[in-house]
Amino acid sequence: DAGVIQSPRHEVTEMGQEVTLRCKPISGHDYLFWYRQTMMRGLELLIYFNNNVPIDDSGMPEDRFSAKMPNASFSTLKIQPSEPRDSAVYFCASSHGTGGRETQYFGPGTRLLVL
Amino acid sequence: SQQGEEDPQALSIQEGENATMNCSYKTSINNLQWYRQNSGRGLVHLILIRSNEREKHSGRLRVTLDTSKKSSSLLITASRAADTASYFCATETSGSRLTFGEGTQLTVNP
Repeated sequence: DAGVIQSPRHEVTEMGQEVTLRCKPISGHDYLFWYRQTMMRGLELLIYFNNNVPIDDSGMPEDRFSAKMPNASFSTLKIQPSEPRDSAVYFCASSHGTGGRETQYFGPGTRLLVL
Repeated sequence: SQQGEEDPQALSIQEGENATMNCSYKTSINNLQWYRQNSGRGLVHLILIRSNEREKHSGRLRVTLDTSKKSSSLLITASRAADTASYFCATETSGSRLTFGEGTQLTVNP
């Protein structure tokens, strides 16, 4: 199995630009999670989906952030407009079964730098 | 303080020594998990211990859970240079959310 796939691996953009991060979960997994990791705040859960439906988006910092999961094999996290404080590593993770009670499998992350 | 705080923040040991990391949390949990993160990589699941379990082993890893003290420890025996990484505990309280601690940076010197 290829594991969780994220793209791009690195993104450098200028403030005000739209950024789209992509994730392909492990086949058969019904939970998908988006996390953000920074030195200051650690690893934060942004949003998670169950069977393609957003369940909890309370971690999404602002309306500038949006996430979609149009099908079981693809999800996007969009930031529009981006700001320098959005610079972080964004991880996607997936799991099978009741998400928090089972192992979560993380992708390699997208390192985002907003100038 | 956030749920799931690791202690110490950083630990440096020699190869062959044992490494112990601790995690404290504040609210009741259903389970607690430990993850490892190598520099520049994603997190990798190590072990899960449920609230009704007290100890669990996996290879060179030993995890304990004390729900009365709201704490857990991760012991890595006979450490290797390849064990150098950040280690995170994560707690599941309800639903499907995992809350991660700030991590312990372990350095194993050859």
